[in-house]
Amino acid sequence: AQKVTQAQTEISVVEKEDVTLDCVYETRDTTYYLFWYKQPPSGELVFLIRRNSFDEQNEISGRYSWNFQKSTSSFNFTITASQVVDSAVYFCALSEASNSGNTPLVFGKGTRLSVIA
Amino acid sequence: DAGITQSPRHKVTETGTPVTLRCHQTENHRYMYWYRQDPGHGLRLIHYSYGVKDTDKGEVSDGYSVSRSKTEDFLLTLESATSSQTSVYFCAISESRTPNMSPQHFGDGTRLSIL
Repeated sequence: AQKVTQAQTEISVVEKEDVTLDCVYETRDTTYYLFWYKQPPSGELVFLIRRNSFDEQNEISGRYSWNFQKSTSSFNFTITASQVVDSAVYFCALSEASNSGNTPLVFGKGTRLSVIA
Repeated sequence: DAGITQSPRHKVTETGTPVTLRCHQTENHRYMYWYRQDPGHGLRLIHYSYGVKDTDKGEVSDGYSVSRSKTEDFLLTLESATSSQTSVYFCAISESRTPNMSPQHFGDGTRLSIL
């Protein structure tokens, strides 16, 4: 069965610090998809990125970067030069391709990031 | 933003009463989902739908039922609400052809309190 673990429940950093949010997953499938979502204090869930299991290339988008390593089953998310607006709960999620198409995402329990000015 | 509207946004009701939450989409997506979010549990799937009148159970389906009579509407019903169903409920949709690889887009949530 698929599982996502976000071991960091809460992280607090000072503005401009770099911070890495950890995500470890479990799956028996060779084809799967990993996602990160952001939930700011206003409560909505915002999709950030999707990565498929065949693409281990790291991705950078502005201050955000993602490190996908199949060898350690990890898909970590780094925010460089954090800002107060980055304060949110971040969720990592996993979807397996082998399921009939009806299996939705399995989410980790989330990491609450607080960026202090 | 994906066209997803949840109603009501907030509701307070009493134990034992029926409650229906509505999710309406304007994207014509085939797949729709209902999740609940609780502290310490993240998001957990209640039910999902892969087409009109096609639904299936998720991880925490006990006490909930759903209906999908039109592509755009997915209803979640608590037949007899209990205090353990106090939660924030999110509806999500995903693209039709490749639901597993497509990101899900979420509504703004419904905060439900059962006293």
